[in-house]
Amino acid sequence: DIQMTQSPSSLSASVGDRVTITCRASQDINNQLAWFQQKPGKAPKSLIYGASTLQSGVPSKFSGSGSGTEFTLTISSLQPEDLGTYFCQQYISYPLTFGGGTKVEIK
Amino acid sequence: QVQLQESGPGLVKPSETLSLTCAVSGYSIRTAYYWGWIRQPPGQGLEWIGNMDHTGITFFNPSLKSRVTISPDTSKNQFSLRLTSVTAADTAVYYCARRMRDGYHWFIDSWGQGTLVTVSS
Repeated sequence: DIQMTQSPSSLSASVGDRVTITCRASQDINNQLAWFQQKPGKAPKSLIYGASTLQSGVPSKFSGSGSGTEFTLTISSLQPEDLGTYFCQQYISYPLTFGGGTKVEIK
Repeated sequence: QVQLQESGPGLVKPSETLSLTCAVSGYSIRTAYYWGWIRQPPGQGLEWIGNMDHTGITFFNPSLKSRVTISPDTSKNQFSLRLTSVTAADTAVYYCARRMRDGYHWFIDSWGQGTLVTVSS
């Protein structure tokens, strides 16, 4: 199985800050990576696929980059509605696997 | 816009079988894509259970493969999950989801709202 490791596991930032989350794969996954946002008590929401392509309706403050084994999700200007947990996921091979999540809190 | 909705018992006894259904609206599961299940134990991360393609061919997480069945009910445009011999470790919120295609990317684009299943006597 491909292991996905996210860092940090949690972060606290101020409104307006630029926030970056890292996801590392245990082997090369090309750009077969997705990002999800999960607000407390809610189902995950799909944000990005192909490492950098925004899903329809996702605001442009979210961006993704990377290829191979290292990827990043950036929120350009953190807002209160962005609090929640963010997960990465590889889909290049079965079983599909997720990172452990990064909990984003607002200072 | 596709919508997915899980349903099923919220409480299952140990050693029994967990059965859930995902009703799909806005898209026919017979047309294309993958249809699957993901779970999340309370306070923990996400675990992929398995999925089926639009013809009913299935792929499962090896950690659960011996206990899992995913099958379609095309007459009702829904698909189901069965997980046998459950234990407390199977307590989780269960989500159904669609994986769609863009080029060579097969990615999750839609999720159900999730349903909590507790395994307890």
